[in-house]
Amino acid sequence: AQRVTQPEKLLSVFKGAPVELKCNYSYSGSPELFWYVQYSRQRLQLLLRHISRESIKGFTADLNKGETSFHLKKPFAQEEDSAMYYCALSPTDKLIFGTGTRLQVFP
Amino acid sequence: KAGVTQTPRYLIKTRGQQVTLSCSPISGHRSVSWYQQTPGQGLQFLFEYFSETQRNKGNFPGRFSGRQFSNSRSEMNVSTLELGDSALYLCASSADRVENSPLHFGNGTRLTVT
Repeated sequence: AQRVTQPEKLLSVFKGAPVELKCNYSYSGSPELFWYVQYSRQRLQLLLRHISRESIKGFTADLNKGETSFHLKKPFAQEEDSAMYYCALSPTDKLIFGTGTRLQVFP
Repeated sequence: KAGVTQTPRYLIKTRGQQVTLSCSPISGHRSVSWYQQTPGQGLQFLFEYFSETQRNKGNFPGRFSGRQFSNSRSEMNVSTLELGDSALYLCASSADRVENSPLHFGNGTRLTVT
């Protein structure tokens, strides 16, 4: 079965603390994985994708095929990072989303 | 470039009625996808269209249907509405296949069924 699991509904940290949003997936093929973010009163938008291997707004995510994980990390959280984060898996022509993790960064 | 536009923003319908939602993709994008977002189930894939052809369909009953026009605009129809159809319906467009290019989402249409 194709599935994305985000075990944490809410993650609260203080500004400057490291952040790790967990994502595990179930997929028999070679996965395309993404992180999407939704800031307050904004549209859902792409944050990063594993194939790009880039850092966006200080966030990185590494695909670990052995652990079937694609955790999102940032070494020092900022208040503006507060948002809803969704991990997504892409089999052909669709995205399968996790249930999302709300990140709250306190000053 | 204008973003993905969904109309209407809000809809209130009663059980048994039908509804049509509209989506205008970003200019030049040929792929349009639809998602249902609810607090309980999160974001669930409905269907994806490319050049007027449905390429993929999610696990929703046949009451949910869609189409895409030659200008890439898409409509989604839900017939015989049920209370459980109350949700935010999101449309997204992409330039290429979903796994190759990012989805650009609209603001959604919030449907309330009473």
